[in-house]
Amino acid sequence: GEDVEQSLFLSVREGDSSVINCTYTDSSSTYLYWYKQEPGAGLQLLTYIFSNMDMKQDQRLTVLLNKKDKHLSLRIADTQTGDSAIYFCAGRSGGSYIPTFGRGTSLIVHP
Amino acid sequence: DADVTQTPRNRITKTGKRIMLECSQTKGHDRMYWYRQDPGLGLRLIYYSFDVKDINKGEISDGYSVSRQAQAKFSLSLESAIPNQTALYFCATSDFGGAGDTQYFGPGTRLTVL
Repeated sequence: GEDVEQSLFLSVREGDSSVINCTYTDSSSTYLYWYKQEPGAGLQLLTYIFSNMDMKQDQRLTVLLNKKDKHLSLRIADTQTGDSAIYFCAGRSGGSYIPTFGRGTSLIVHP
Repeated sequence: DADVTQTPRNRITKTGKRIMLECSQTKGHDRMYWYRQDPGLGLRLIYYSFDVKDINKGEISDGYSVSRQAQAKFSLSLESAIPNQTALYFCATSDFGGAGDTQYFGPGTRLTVL
């Protein structure tokens, strides 16, 4: 089955860009997702990208997909303290209706 | 009002007790899921249901059971709680074929087993 890996922590200064990376193993992954979990809350979808896309941009968020290397990244421009949260990468293959989640990356934004 | 609600939000119980966690949704989705979150381990799937008559085990179903009482309700039971079931539990829903089959999560139940 799918395996999704991501680093556990990232610390950035307010105003800088953050890049959170993720690798996955299933080359048939159809959808790849980024979820955000704020303290004391459930996960909320930030964005998703379909496997036939290389890039998706939504305001301060840019998702890059490298299918050859099975690598997904989330770039947050002009990172703010309100972006401090845990970010989960998830992948789902076309043959499965259940996404596999990574362990989550804790983003810490300091002044 | 929240689309996916979970009760209770926090629960402390003792080893050996039976516990039920409840989930309700107003999104009209057929698919519902129970996950457990542990620090550093991410989310692990316990059970899922694609409609009222469908129940499937996830990767860590041992020690848990579920009931799908209606399209909108999916409850998780711990028949005899043990300390290593201390975790944050999330219910989620999804809509088949909807926007990337996105999952919508409840706010979570923090369970502590002493």
